[in-house]
Amino acid sequence: AQSVSQHNHHVILSEAASLELGCNYSYGGTVNLFWYVQYPGQHLQLLLKYFSGDPLVKGIKGFEAEFIKSKFSFNLRKPSVQWSDTAEYFCAVKDNYGQNFVFGPGTRLSVLP
Amino acid sequence: DSGVTQTPKHLITATGQRVTLRCSPRSGDLSVYWYQQSLDQGLQFLIQYYNGEERAKGNILERFSAQQFPDLHSELNLSSLELGDSALYFCASSVGGLPYEQYFGPGTRLTVT
Repeated sequence: AQSVSQHNHHVILSEAASLELGCNYSYGGTVNLFWYVQYPGQHLQLLLKYFSGDPLVKGIKGFEAEFIKSKFSFNLRKPSVQWSDTAEYFCAVKDNYGQNFVFGPGTRLSVLP
Repeated sequence: DSGVTQTPKHLITATGQRVTLRCSPRSGDLSVYWYQQSLDQGLQFLIQYYNGEERAKGNILERFSAQQFPDLHSELNLSSLELGDSALYFCASSVGGLPYEQYFGPGTRLTVT
C-alpha cells in the first residue's frame, strides 16, 4: 500500500525565514502530488499540485514545490514566511491507478511574529 | 469558501448512538469523498461516491455507511458509536470520478461521550 511521510511534525520559524517541508511517498509508478494547507479552524485548501511536466510547481501565496522522481520526494518551499502562514500542511499522493488520495500525517508550522 | 457545505458543524452524542452527517458538493461536482481526521490517525479516506454510485472504499468501518442522492448531496451514517469515533469528518467534492482536484468542506466535529 502507498504511504506518505512528512519529515517534521512541528516546525517553528520566525517571520521572513525560509521554509522547506519534506514529503516522501512510497509508490514507484506515475503519481499525482498535492500540498494542502489547513489554517486554524478551517477546512483544507489546495496549495499546489503536480500532474506532469515541469517538476517545479508554483502554487498560491508564494509557495512552490519540487518533484524529484529519483528521491520519491515533493518538498514544499517558501522563501520568506509570514505569520499568516501558521497552519498545518499536508502532502497527498494519488497514483494513476487508484481512486484515492493518501495523505501524509501533516506538519504543523508555527511562524513567530 | 470552497462551495462545499456540511451540516451540522458540531455534534455531541453518546456511545451506542447513531448520527447522520450531511454534505452538499460544489455546484457541478459529481463526486463526493468522506474523510475522517483524528489526532492519532491523521486524515483517512473513508469512501467516495460518483454520480450516485460507490466508486472507492478506504478505511471505512462496517458500522459506517454512506450514500449519495439524486441531487448529489451525500450522507455519512455512523452507528453504534464509540469514543474512538470522535473526530472531524470532512467531505470533499470533485468534478469527475477521479480525485485530481478536491474541494473540502468545513467539516463536522463529532464528539462521542
